Amino acid sequence: DAGVTQSPTHLIKTRGQQVTLRCSPKSGHDTVSWYQQALGQGPQFIFQYYEEEERQRGNFPDRFSGHQFPNYSSELNVNALLLGDSALYLCASSPGGGSYEQYFGPGTRLTVT
Amino acid sequence: RKEVEQDPGPFNVPEGATVAFNCTYSNSASQSFFWYRQDCRKEPKLLMSVYSSGNEDGRFTAQLNRASQYISLLIRDSKLSDSATYLCVVNRGTDSWGKLQFGAGTQVVVTP
Repeated sequence: DAGVTQSPTHLIKTRGQQVTLRCSPKSGHDTVSWYQQALGQGPQFIFQYYEEEERQRGNFPDRFSGHQFPNYSSELNVNALLLGDSALYLCASSPGGGSYEQYFGPGTRLTVT
Repeated sequence: RKEVEQDPGPFNVPEGATVAFNCTYSNSASQSFFWYRQDCRKEPKLLMSVYSSGNEDGRFTAQLNRASQYISLLIRDSKLSDSATYLCVVNRGTDSWGKLQFGAGTQVVVTP
C-alpha cells in the first residue's frame, strides 16, 4: 500500500519564477492538505482540498494556489516566488469521514535564490 | 500568543530513562489532539492521537488536560531511536476541518 508521494523531492528556483508541486494521496484517502515548514518551525497550514474544492485556507497570500484532480491527487502552485518561500512543502492526506488524522508525504524542498 | 506552544528543548535523556514534556494550546474550542514525531529533514509521522481519558501505546503515554489546556507526552525506557523532534498538534474541529495547528516541536536526544 503506497503512502503519500510527492514530486519533485528538491527544487531550486529564482525569485519571481513560478513553481508547481505535486502530491498523490494514500490509497483510500480523498482529502489533501498542504503545509509549509520553514527551518526550525512546525508546519504551517496552507490549504486543504476535498472533492476538488478548497475547503480550508490558512494565512497565505493568493500567490499560493492549488488544485485537486478527480483521482484525489493535488498540485500546489506558487507564483512570483520570494526568497522567504524557501521551505519544505509537505502534503498530507486523510480519509475524511470524521477522521482528523493526517499522513504526510516526504515533502518537496524548495530553494529560492 | 502562538496557538500551540512547546518547550523547544533539547531534552537530553539517558538511554532507559523516562522523559516527559508538555504542550499548551490557546483555543479552548480545540477538539482533536495529536503527537507527531519528526526526524531531521524528514516528514512528520503520526505517533498517537490524544484522547480525553488519556491513552498509552507501548512506551508512550499521552494525557490531555482540557481545564488547563495542555497535552503531555511521556516516554518510558527511552531508546536511542526515540531521538527526534516531537510535534504537538491541535485541531479545532468542525469550524476548521483538517486545519492542523502545529507547535514548533520539542527536541529529544537520547544518549547511550
